[in-house]
Amino acid sequence: KQEVTQIPAALSVPEGENLVLNCSFTDSAIYNLQWFRQDPGKGLTSLLLIQSSQREQTSGRLNASLDKSSGRSTLYIAASQPGDSATYLCAVNYGSSNTGKLIFGQGTTLQVKP
Amino acid sequence: GAGVSQSPSNKVTEKGKDVELRCDPISGHTALYWYRQSLGQGLEFLIYFQGNSAPDKSGLPSDRFSAERTGGSVSTLTIQRTQQEDSAVYLCASSLSSSGIIHEQYFGPGTRLTVT
Repeated sequence: KQEVTQIPAALSVPEGENLVLNCSFTDSAIYNLQWFRQDPGKGLTSLLLIQSSQREQTSGRLNASLDKSSGRSTLYIAASQPGDSATYLCAVNYGSSNTGKLIFGQGTTLQVKP
Repeated sequence: GAGVSQSPSNKVTEKGKDVELRCDPISGHTALYWYRQSLGQGLEFLIYFQGNSAPDKSGLPSDRFSAERTGGSVSTLTIQRTQQEDSAVYLCASSLSSSGIIHEQYFGPGTRLTVT
């Protein structure tokens, strides 16, 4: 079964700390992987998209890596801020040809304390 | 530019009634997706439209659920004879698609459905 797992389910850190969120997937034959942010009661905001052929993507303080052989992706957040508090979701588009649908992890809820 | 919009933002309905949820994708996006987010289940794929191709309906939980996309733009998700377990937030997303490549998906704010 194609699944996505995120650990930890929740994380609390002091402001300014660098942190890593983990995502693992069960099948290395992925099309792409996308990281999202979700604020309470809101929709999803796309953060980074990594294609199957890529190893990492960067946007500002965010860096996402992809290791297909080990079935893992990490989202690195540098110099965390209280405004980074949200739920972070990892989603995988499985398959060698694009099927369109994303399989989501359960998310990591991040709290950054001032 | 305008993002993905969904209506209504909230819908309360009685068990057994039919509901229709609407999604307006980003202009020019040929791919459109419906997902459902419920407590305990996380985010689940429902259905995917890509241009004029037959939709991928593999995520629809029962035959009470259906969706259509008219004119390659607006989409409507219909739930017939609603049940309490249908209560969830229904999210719509759209993306570009060129030369068989699907780009990142952009999500709307969702419709919160409550079945009483």
